[in-house]
Amino acid sequence: AQSVTQLGSHVSVSEGALVLLRCNYSSSVPPYLFWYVQYPNQGLQLLLKYTTGATLVKGINGFEAEFKKSETSFHLTKPSAHMSDAAEYFCAVRSMDTGRRALTFGSGTRLQVQP
Amino acid sequence: SAVISQKPSRDICQRGTSLTIQCQVDSQVTMMFWYRQQPGQSLTLIATANQGSEATYESGFVIDKFPISRPNLTFSTLTVSNMSPEDSSIYLCSVRRGGDTGELFFGEGSRLTVL
Repeated sequence: AQSVTQLGSHVSVSEGALVLLRCNYSSSVPPYLFWYVQYPNQGLQLLLKYTTGATLVKGINGFEAEFKKSETSFHLTKPSAHMSDAAEYFCAVRSMDTGRRALTFGSGTRLQVQP
Repeated sequence: SAVISQKPSRDICQRGTSLTIQCQVDSQVTMMFWYRQQPGQSLTLIATANQGSEATYESGFVIDKFPISRPNLTFSTLTVSNMSPEDSSIYLCSVRRGGDTGELFFGEGSRLTVL
């Protein structure tokens, strides 16, 4: 069964600083990987995804993530944080070795951006 | 993307009562998923609902507690039965569409508080 681990339930950065949110997965075959963002009192919005091909994927709002098979990681980064980036971020995985179509989510990381 | 509408958006319920959450999608989808997000926690899959067949429940969730209907390809309901304060959560409907790219689209969620 697949699983997702997000290191750090809370991350605080200064405005303009680098954002790094960590995600490691466990899966017997390379999975599909996703990052979602949840703003207060809202549903989840897809930031970016990796399925196949280029391992560095770019998403909305200046975020990007790199799939590293050797490290089983899919960390989310943004060069310069903005106040509007403050939200909860979830990494998710869909294993491709089963017929399971649902996603398994990590525990989430709350990003705070300090002025 | 997909437009997913959930009703109610929030509700306060009394212990022992039941509440039905509706999920309406703007186009036909094969698979719909119901997730629960307990306060301050990640998303946990309750069940997968396919039109024309019984819902498939995840470990820890049973049909008597969370009956699901899927009468057509654009609509589903989730009932939370005999509620207790532990059922206070956000319940999210999600769908997969547009081929097998894997991502799910989410409604805004239904925030239930059980007193």
